[in-house]
Amino acid sequence: DQQVKQNSPSLSVQEGRISILNCDYTNSMFDYFLWYKKYPAEGPTFLISISSIKDKNEDGRFTVFLNKSAKHLSLHIVPSQPGDSAVYFCAARGGPGANSKLTFGKGITLSVRP
Amino acid sequence: DVKVTQSSRYLVKRTGEKVFLECVQDMDHENMFWYRQDPGLGLRLIYFSYDVKMKEKGDIPEGYSVSREKKERFSLILESASTNQTSMYLCASSLPVPYEQYFGPGTRLTVT
Repeated sequence: DQQVKQNSPSLSVQEGRISILNCDYTNSMFDYFLWYKKYPAEGPTFLISISSIKDKNEDGRFTVFLNKSAKHLSLHIVPSQPGDSAVYFCAARGGPGANSKLTFGKGITLSVRP
Repeated sequence: DVKVTQSSRYLVKRTGEKVFLECVQDMDHENMFWYRQDPGLGLRLIYFSYDVKMKEKGDIPEGYSVSREKKERFSLILESASTNQTSMYLCASSLPVPYEQYFGPGTRLTVT
């Protein structure tokens, strides 16, 4: 049973435009959400996170939005740059008692066209 | 800067061999994790550990075991490698709080 879903396997965006990466979850116990970025042949790197008590967190060109009622979060990248081309994973922490154990989605491949 | 290192970037083993994948972190993190990444399947948790000599099964522990004798080192063991264990293996570490995990560069294991 997939608790974190990234339903679109890929996204292609023009350089300078906005990239919107979506993620849905089913477990209402999730209380913390993270986005990771992964280049080929490298480990994932942490990008941005949001607590379930917030609905928005911003860090430079990256903003994460959380809609708890819809169990949906999204990552916005503005403006998109060719160096943003990578696989993006959404992850969620399982609530009190889960420590730092995360559940990951399957990832979205973002391609930013020059 | 957190540094997580993995013993090999690329490894080729034969079916039936015993395989050891080593992971070391230098930030005194309590928590360590082993994942495998496969196309279309994302990151799947194999085993994790919240303390020395402690281990817990993740979502896909079958065919694997782990060892954590020292806080900074977490080893993944394939007792008898099979071709379906060909994958990218990723190690990660974290503090209990905050929850961000820091990943190593990965080991691409091929079992022939």
